[in-house]
Amino acid sequence: EDQVTQSPEALRLQEGESSSLNCSYTVSGLRGLFWYRQDPGKGPEFLFTLYSAGEEKEKERLKATLTKKESFLHITAPKPEDSATYLCAVQRESSASKIIFGSGTRLSIRP
Amino acid sequence: NAGVTQTPKFQVLKTGQSMTLQCAQDMNHNSMYWYRQDPGMGLRLIYYSASEGTTDKGEVPNGYNVSRLNKREFSLRLESAAPSQTSVYFCASSGQWTSGRYEQYFGPGTRLTVT
Repeated sequence: EDQVTQSPEALRLQEGESSSLNCSYTVSGLRGLFWYRQDPGKGPEFLFTLYSAGEEKEKERLKATLTKKESFLHITAPKPEDSATYLCAVQRESSASKIIFGSGTRLSIRP
Repeated sequence: NAGVTQTPKFQVLKTGQSMTLQCAQDMNHNSMYWYRQDPGMGLRLIYYSASEGTTDKGEVPNGYNVSRLNKREFSLRLESAAPSQTSVYFCASSGQWTSGRYEQYFGPGTRLTVT
């Protein structure tokens, strides 16, 4: 059964303190892995799509990496405005449009 | 461009009432989706439409129906609302894999309470 597990559930960091969020997945034939940011009361905002192991993508203080079993979202020198819930999702090769989401990591950055 | 829009933003229903959630996108996307988000359970796919004229069930379709009215619009209907359908509903759209840019964009959500 396809599964996406994110850890930790919640993470509190001091401003400037770098860390990583983990997304472990089990899927038969990965078509793509996605990262989203969600602010309270809003819809998820697309960040990255990763297609194959070894791929990396960056956006400002965020860097996403992918292996055959997991993905990491690295946050370098975070600022309070990076506080949000970060969602990971996967799409199976054989499933046209179905995307499976993890439960998310709530990130809080203290000034 | 407005992206993905949803109406209404908030709704309170009594058990047994019906309603339709509306969604529209202006990005010329082929695929559209309806998700529900519940605390601790993440986003779960209700229905999706890979292209105009087609719809298919997702993970939790029971109690819902959908209509892909045209390429822009995808509606979700609750025929007889139940308290278990209290949730936040998100509509999303995406381009095709063949375009090389598969990015899914979400609307702002509809917060539904069924009493």
